[in-house]
Formats: sequence, C-alpha cells, structure tokens
Amino acid sequence: EEQLLESGGGLVQPGGSLRLSCAASGFTFSSYAMSWVRQAPGKGLEWISTISSSGGSTYYPDSMKGRFTISRDNSRNTLYLQMNSLRAEDTALYYCAKDQSWIQNLNWFDPWGQGTLVTVSS
Amino acid sequence: DIQLTQSPSFLSASVGDRVTITCRASQGISSYLAWYQQKPGKAPKLLIYFVSTLQSGVPSRFSGSGSGTEFTLTISSLQPEDFATYYCQHPDIYQLTFGGGTKVEIK
Repeated sequence: EEQLLESGGGLVQPGGSLRLSCAASGFTFSSYAMSWVRQAPGKGLEWISTISSSGGSTYYPDSMKGRFTISRDNSRNTLYLQMNSLRAEDTALYYCAKDQSWIQNLNWFDPWGQGTLVTVSS
Repeated sequence: DIQLTQSPSFLSASVGDRVTITCRASQGISSYLAWYQQKPGKAPKLLIYFVSTLQSGVPSRFSGSGSGTEFTLTISSLQPEDFATYYCQHPDIYQLTFGGGTKVEIK
C-alpha cells in the first residue's frame, strides 16, 4: 500500500523557519514526481511546489517562489519542504502527495499524506 | 494565470439525488482537469483525471465531462459516503491550480 507520512509541523513565530518531511513507502519513490499542497483552516487547496522524480526540476507558483524550497532524498524515500520567513497566512495543514500522472508536466495527485499542521503565531 | 471557478460553492442534497458540480476555467484548458473528494478531517482523494477517467476504485456513480472551459462532475445517485467537499484541479505544472471547492451536505 502506498503511504505518505508528513512530519515537522508545529508552532513557529512570524519570520521563523521550518522544514517539513514526508516519508514515502509502498512504491518506488525515485520514479515519481512529488508535491506539496496546503490547506488553510476552513479554506481550499493551494499548490505549493512539485519536484521531478530525480530532483533535477522544481516548480512553484509565483506566490510561493522565494520563501519555499522543495527537495528530496531518493536514498531515504523522503520529500522535504523548507519554509522561511513564515507569516501568519502560512498557517495551514501541509500535505505531501505523489504525482500519479505518467505525462510530463501534468500532475494529479494520489495518494496524499494525512498532513502536518503549521501554525505561525507569536 | 488560470482560475477555476466552481459552482455552486455549497449544495444540499438527499441520498439518491443526482448531483452536478460545475468547474469553469478562465481560459481553455483542453481536457486537463481532475476532480478530488475531501471528507472532513481527511486528505483529498483523487476521483477523476483527464476530465472523465475514473481513478481505480472509484464507484461508477461518479462521472466527469466537459472540455475547454466548462466541466462537470456528476454523482448519479448520491450515497451517504459521498457527503464531502469536491475540488477541481488543472494539472498543468506551469499553471497548476485548484477550484475553490463545492461542499455537498445532507438535506
């Protein structure tokens, strides 16, 4: 069974940093692009970033460029999200997700992890 | 940037009802659209990709249609386990975006 398990969330002060991890199991991690998606409390889904299977290519929407960095360690089957200069509006549940598409540059996600909560507050 | 607008944002329906949710794109996106279901306290689950292809294990009462800028998700006969929030998604990595969601509640 394919599984994703996020960790690293918590309470952080505005301006602080946090690194999230996502441990993958049940599939060949190094063969799939991976992504981060977040969901603010009571709100919809917001794509943060995607990384190619090799880690050689990364993608961000303009709104996420500069403060968020996605990376992966295929030897550890782990995906990461480094978040810097955090703001109150970054408070959300952060999900990692496996890219199920077999077509380059098209990314739909399955499965998703259960999420890790990041709260930015003083 | 492409925007996806879902309507309605909320709907109340009964078990057995036929339910249709619409997702409109601000510009043409061909057949590149996916749908997800999210139950309270749970992660989203992929239902449909390429507009109408059902993800493995998804019941056949779910169907998708459309092209260009207007797409629909239809549940032919609503079941108790279908009460959830549904999101559409444009999967192009250079314009990836989600719709705002449609919450389906019990009437």
